[in-house]
Amino acid sequence: GENVEQHPSTLSVQEGDSAVIKCTYSDSASNYFPWYKQELGKRPQLIIDIRSNVGEKKDQRIAVTLNKTAKHFSLHITETQPEDSAVYFCAASRRNQFYFGTGTSLTVIP
Amino acid sequence: DAGVTQSPTHLIKTRGQQVTLRCSPKSGHDTVSWYQQALGQGPQFIFQYYEEEERQRGNFPDRFSGHQFPNYSSELNVNALLLGDSALYLCASSSWGAGNQPQHFGDGTRLSIL
Repeated sequence: GENVEQHPSTLSVQEGDSAVIKCTYSDSASNYFPWYKQELGKRPQLIIDIRSNVGEKKDQRIAVTLNKTAKHFSLHITETQPEDSAVYFCAASRRNQFYFGTGTSLTVIP
Repeated sequence: DAGVTQSPTHLIKTRGQQVTLRCSPKSGHDTVSWYQQALGQGPQFIFQYYEEEERQRGNFPDRFSGHQFPNYSSELNVNALLLGDSALYLCASSSWGAGNQPQHFGDGTRLSIL
């Protein structure tokens, strides 16, 4: 089955700096890659996603890049704000079966 | 427009007991997936239901079973509970015919095994 690895497990940045979270996957048939943000005690919320026919996608301060050849994808958050502090999960999917990474706890220091 | 709803929010059981968790999908969705999220970990896929049948299954033992009803709601049953079954159980819904698309999650059921 699919194996998704996510790094780093914890990340602290100063407010206004950028944050980058990286994931790798093993199954070349995976073709959909969403990112979720989970605040303490709350449900995971989709923040951005990318499909395998696209190399990069941006939504305001958040961007995702995908390298299919290397089987890795990354989340980039620019101009970080304290409300960005949360746990972020990447996932890889094919045929609606999702495999999640182990999460990155992001802390934005005011 | 109601999102994904799960019940109960919290549950405490003892080893060997059985438990049933419930999920109602987001309006317009017909597919329900269940996940187990241990503390500090990512969600682990348990199984997925569409048209009242289990369509896909992750690496979980047969103690984990489910059901989907004609109104698309779903139940997750766990028999012979173990201490290691303590986790947050998340339900997610989507629309089968739309191909790969985001999972919309409920708030989860926090299951504690004593």
